Amino acid sequence: GQQLNQSPQSMFIQEGEDVSMNCTSSSIFNTWLWYKQDPGEGPVLLIALYKAGELTSNGRLTAQFGITRKDSFLNISASIPSDVGIYFCAGGNYGGATNKLIFGTGTLLAVQP
Amino acid sequence: NAGVTQTPKFRILKIGQSMTLQCTQDMNHNYMYWYRQDPGMGLKLIYYSVGAGITDKGEVPNGYNVSRSTTEDFPLRLELAAPSQTSVYFCASSYDLGGSPLHFGNGTRLTVT
Repeated sequence: GQQLNQSPQSMFIQEGEDVSMNCTSSSIFNTWLWYKQDPGEGPVLLIALYKAGELTSNGRLTAQFGITRKDSFLNISASIPSDVGIYFCAGGNYGGATNKLIFGTGTLLAVQP
Repeated sequence: NAGVTQTPKFRILKIGQSMTLQCTQDMNHNYMYWYRQDPGMGLKLIYYSVGAGITDKGEVPNGYNVSRSTTEDFPLRLELAAPSQTSVYFCASSYDLGGSPLHFGNGTRLTVT
């Protein structure tokens, strides 16, 4: 089945560092979503993007919808220990015939205090 | 407002046993989904439903069955458990089509031995 290419697979950083991760696809999407999953819990929505070129922030998180509509980026500034978790991107087509989001394979983030 | 509630949180099955994973949501969402999450593999769609009485296969439906008798409930049934079904199962719901954000439950960790 189709999956998005998400990178990096994992990151081990020091507290205070900035983090960047991205997702790329061979298909065009009109929606990009970024989720975070804490250990033992379900994914929680961080940011939703609905327009090519859109740049949206949520606190220290900033995500961008790529102009080609085939990629998206998530940046975390000044990381803190509670940023630890798995980050997933998901692409979809809002208003499409079926709501089948395609998920990336995830980026595991570890933050050392 | 509980959102999406899954039970049980953990379960161990012997090969060949059957069980039902329960999922209920109180957001009046029409769309509900079952995903499985394997290590390093992201989320794969098992089955989904666009409303009461309507279900359809996702990417990996073999070995599973679902029903949707009410808007709120979307149980997932395993008839003959196999070791390949060892995974973490997530139920989700959404309000609308396409890239509408999914709201996830906290998951059921299933081990088949």
